[in-house]
Amino acid sequence: DIQMTQSPSSLSASVGDRVTITCRASQGIRNDLGWYQQKPGKAPKRLIYDVSNLQSGVPSRFSGSGSGTEFTLTISSLQPEDFATYYCLQHNSYPNTFGQGTKLEIK
Amino acid sequence: EVQLVESGGGLVQPGGSLRLSCAASGVSFSTYWMTWVRQAPGKGLEWVANITPDGSQKQYVDSVRGRFTVSRDNAKNSLDLQMNSLRAEDTAVYYCMTRAADVWGKGTTVTVSS
Repeated sequence: DIQMTQSPSSLSASVGDRVTITCRASQGIRNDLGWYQQKPGKAPKRLIYDVSNLQSGVPSRFSGSGSGTEFTLTISSLQPEDFATYYCLQHNSYPNTFGQGTKLEIK
Repeated sequence: EVQLVESGGGLVQPGGSLRLSCAASGVSFSTYWMTWVRQAPGKGLEWVANITPDGSQKQYVDSVRGRFTVSRDNAKNSLDLQMNSLRAEDTAVYYCMTRAADVWGKGTTVTVSS
């Protein structure tokens, strides 16, 4: 199975900050990676698909990059509604696997 | 656009069985790969199983293989997850989703406890 190591597991930041979350895959996954945001009590929603493609309706302050085994999600200027938990998901091989999650909290 | 609604969750004793269902609305259900994802209380997301559009291929995470079975009925726009030999560690909110369209249900809660 491909392991997705996500870091950090938690992050405190302020409105307006730039933040970066990283996922490292245990083997190459081409561009088969998405990023999801989840708020308490809600289903996740995808922000980025195929490493760097912005999901329709998602603000442009979210961006994704990376290749091979290392991938990042960047939020260029945090907004109050961005405080949530973020997950990466690889769909290159089965079983698909999520990262452990990054809880983004208000400083 | 597909909309998804899960049902069938509840409290079950260890070793018991439960069948989850996911009702889909929208005209494209039969073209989508469908997936079950779960989330244990206070924990992260776990991919559980998926099924091809025609139902011919299914994949499972190791921890449920042999105990859970995913199936679909495209005529009824429905997806099921038959869960047998349930364990305490299967306690979670179970979501059905289609990754291609990024549509998720609201989830149904399964609690395995005596």
